[in-house]
Amino acid sequence: DSGVTQTPKHLITATGQRVTLRCSPRSGDLSVYWYQQSLDQGLQFLIQYYNGEERAKGNILERFSAQQFPDLHSELNLSSLELGDSALYFCASSVLGANTEAFFGQGTRLTVV
Amino acid sequence: DQQVKQNSPSLSVQEGRISILNCDYTNSMFDYFLWYKKYPAEGPTFLISISSIKDKNEDGRFTVFLNKSAKHLSLHIVPSQPGDSAVYFCAATHTGTASKLTFGTGTRLQVTL
Repeated sequence: DSGVTQTPKHLITATGQRVTLRCSPRSGDLSVYWYQQSLDQGLQFLIQYYNGEERAKGNILERFSAQQFPDLHSELNLSSLELGDSALYFCASSVLGANTEAFFGQGTRLTVV
Repeated sequence: DQQVKQNSPSLSVQEGRISILNCDYTNSMFDYFLWYKKYPAEGPTFLISISSIKDKNEDGRFTVFLNKSAKHLSLHIVPSQPGDSAVYFCAATHTGTASKLTFGTGTRLQVTL
């Protein structure tokens, strides 16, 4: 158990819909990262928050947004969903701002039908 | 642009033998490298890391070698065990800018009896 909790574990939704993925980081970790893993692909960095503020942005679509709340949990919002958004979405957390030895949650598997 | 490359999608090794997983990178700014292991339906788990000031780091059965001039790193697992069967991801980052981890596409290791 990495200490990072992601909910829900599975999500099936229709095209055009909007979903919210939730992540609770390890206790004491200030940084939260979101990654997307499409079928047989590597993990693509989406976005990083550090202590409530956006720290770095990767290949995140404009239809996607995220935030980190005062209690340090984070949410990833995906809207106007397309079939190609079907993927595993991982959240990771680390103590410092640098994404070293980040600890990953089990992921949310999103299926868009 | 794939800055971290794992050119072998899969590798099969007999139990007790050495497993060697390779990774190449193109970004000379990377100065910290990590290996993650991933089982199905689980998030990636941190395995071992190496800083660019070293050329070798060892942790039990796992050793990571870094060749900066060739921009190449490898993970050696000796002896390989059936429980090592998983997907292994190489990742790299530039700690100075607290940047995100850039992952390779992974190598699926199967350790056979």
